[in-house]
Parts: sequence; C-alpha cells; structure tokens
Amino acid sequence: NAGVTQTPKFRILKIGQSMTLQCTQDMNHNYMYWYRQDPGMGLKLIYYSVGAGITDKGEVPNGYNVSRSTTEDFPLRLELAAPSQTSVYFCASTLGRVLQETQYFGPGTRLLVL
Amino acid sequence: GEDVEQSLFLSVREGDSSVINCTYTDSSSTYLYWYKQEPGAGLQLLTYIFSNMDMKQDQRLTVLLNKKDKHLSLRIADTQTGDSAIYFCAEGGPDSNYQLIWGAGTKLIIKP
Repeated sequence: NAGVTQTPKFRILKIGQSMTLQCTQDMNHNYMYWYRQDPGMGLKLIYYSVGAGITDKGEVPNGYNVSRSTTEDFPLRLELAAPSQTSVYFCASTLGRVLQETQYFGPGTRLLVL
Repeated sequence: GEDVEQSLFLSVREGDSSVINCTYTDSSSTYLYWYKQEPGAGLQLLTYIFSNMDMKQDQRLTVLLNKKDKHLSLRIADTQTGDSAIYFCAEGGPDSNYQLIWGAGTKLIIKP
C-alpha cells in the first residue's frame, strides 16, 4: 500500500512553460485535493475532487487545471507557468469529507519557475 | 477570512518538553488537528481534538484547547531527535466539507 504518490519531486520551469504534476492514491479514496504551500504560509487549497469525473475550485485555482478520470489519479496542470507559481505542491486524499477524516498526503513536489 | 497562526520555529533540548502553540480565529471550529511533516515526507495526522474537549492525551502527546482564547497547544513530553519535524495546526468548522484552514507550520529543532 503506497498511499499517495506524487511525481516529480522537484522541477524547474521557465516562465511560460507548462507541466503536469502527477498524483496517484491506492486507498480507493473518493476525495482528492491539491494544495500549495508558500514559505511562511499555511496550505492553500487549489482544486479538489469528490469522485471520478467531478472537480471543483478551491481557494487559489487561477493558473491551474485538474482532471479526475479515475478514482486513483488526480493530475494538476500548470499552463503558462509564472514565478508566482513557485511553491511546494501537495496532493492529498480522504475517504470521505475532510472534516471527519484523516487526510493522507503525498511527499510534495517542489516547483521553481524562473 | 479565517486564519490560523503558529510560530515558525521552536528549539528545545533533547529530553525536555516541547510546547507548540497555535491560535485560530474561527469561533465555529469543531475539529482541530495537528499534523507532522518529517523531512522529505508528506504530512501525517498526529492527533486531533473535538471542540467540546479541553484536553486529549496520547502517550507523549498532550493537546490542550482553550476555546475562549481560541488557542490550541501540542505538548510533546521527553522530546527525542525523532521528533524533529514541522508541526502543522489546522481547524475546520461545520462548513468545512472540503477545506481546512492551515497554519504555516512550526519547525521543531532538537538540541543535543
């Protein structure tokens, strides 16, 4: 049981490039989340999904897109990377609604946009 | 909007107790959490407390909640080098179906 896995661990992008951050969970969780963490700040929710085919915006969705074609996978797409997207990105999952469930996190992807 | 605040660093000697503090603004908080992040790993749930509790103890961990002051603390007794990590406080209320409010994390540094 690998839990939540993320790739890549680290990436440098040039301004205007695009990339996809991969996230996979093997716990058959319904809910999945993407967060970003900026230095000295708490986690901010980018997008979330309550099941395959259903996604919705979180607190800071601008500049990102997601899809959820399967229960296991929840990729995050950055189009036209900007320096403001330099951050650490965490993917997480829960079986049910976040308030009453343990969130399981991936190890994070560190992204630097230059 | 609602906010959660923590000090960014705490340094303690091995064997001493560590007390990590957190303040929050949401008066409707129902669940408050402590997550731990070890180097190179994702966050892991350490413990949580319901808002109708004042204290929760789990082996070396003691969580204290002061609802009046909106203050949450995590005490780690007999701090060991393996406790070196970043500790995140988070809270959620009745409307928190999909999102908790997170603090920035406190890095616990253990001195020999």
